[in-house]
Amino acid sequence: SYDLTQPPSLSVSPGQTASISCSGDKLEEKYVSWYQQKPGQSPVLVMYQDMKRPSGIPERFSGSNSGNTATLTISGTQAMDEADYFCQAWDIRTYLIFGGGTRLTVL
Amino acid sequence: QVTLRESGPALVKPTQTLTLTCTFSGFSLNTRKMCVSWIRQPPGKALEWLALINWDDDKYYNTSLKTRLTISKDTSKNQVILTMTNMDPVDTGTFYCARMVWDGYNNFDYWGQGTLVTVSA
Repeated sequence: SYDLTQPPSLSVSPGQTASISCSGDKLEEKYVSWYQQKPGQSPVLVMYQDMKRPSGIPERFSGSNSGNTATLTISGTQAMDEADYFCQAWDIRTYLIFGGGTRLTVL
Repeated sequence: QVTLRESGPALVKPTQTLTLTCTFSGFSLNTRKMCVSWIRQPPGKALEWLALINWDDDKYYNTSLKTRLTISKDTSKNQVILTMTNMDPVDTGTFYCARMVWDGYNNFDYWGQGTLVTVSA
């Protein structure tokens, strides 16, 4: 089966850049999406097709995918960005896969 | 606008079968490329994709859970139904339905609010 690996947690100070990684075998050959989930809420799509932002997602969110790693970058991180972030991809054998999630703390 | 809403029992007993319904609006599962998936999340844990049904009635399942899952649709009611057999306490969690457009990028652009299912005797 195909797996996506994320660091469990990441802490940044307000205004700093947060880079959340998602690793998988030859991940650059797949399209990666990212979801933000705040406590008690449903996930929200914040990035798709590696680097495209849905309408309404702030420009400080950006994405990249190269080699075995996709990265969600939040520039000028704000307190409101504190949440769990999940990467997701499609694999021809496993179909839809989520990473284990990264808890972003802004302190 | 697109909305999805999950419904079903909040409590099921071990070994029972869970049946959940996703009622949606703002799109049709008769429209090419439209899909609906079920995703679950144990308390404090990661998202886990369960099953997907598309406009053409093709069905895809999480390979680890395939023997326990059945997904179906009722396009006249704009509903997608998931059954999960032989429920166990480890299956406790929030179950979400979400829309996916089959465009090669395959992501979930709209989610329901989720329904919490507890498995306990």
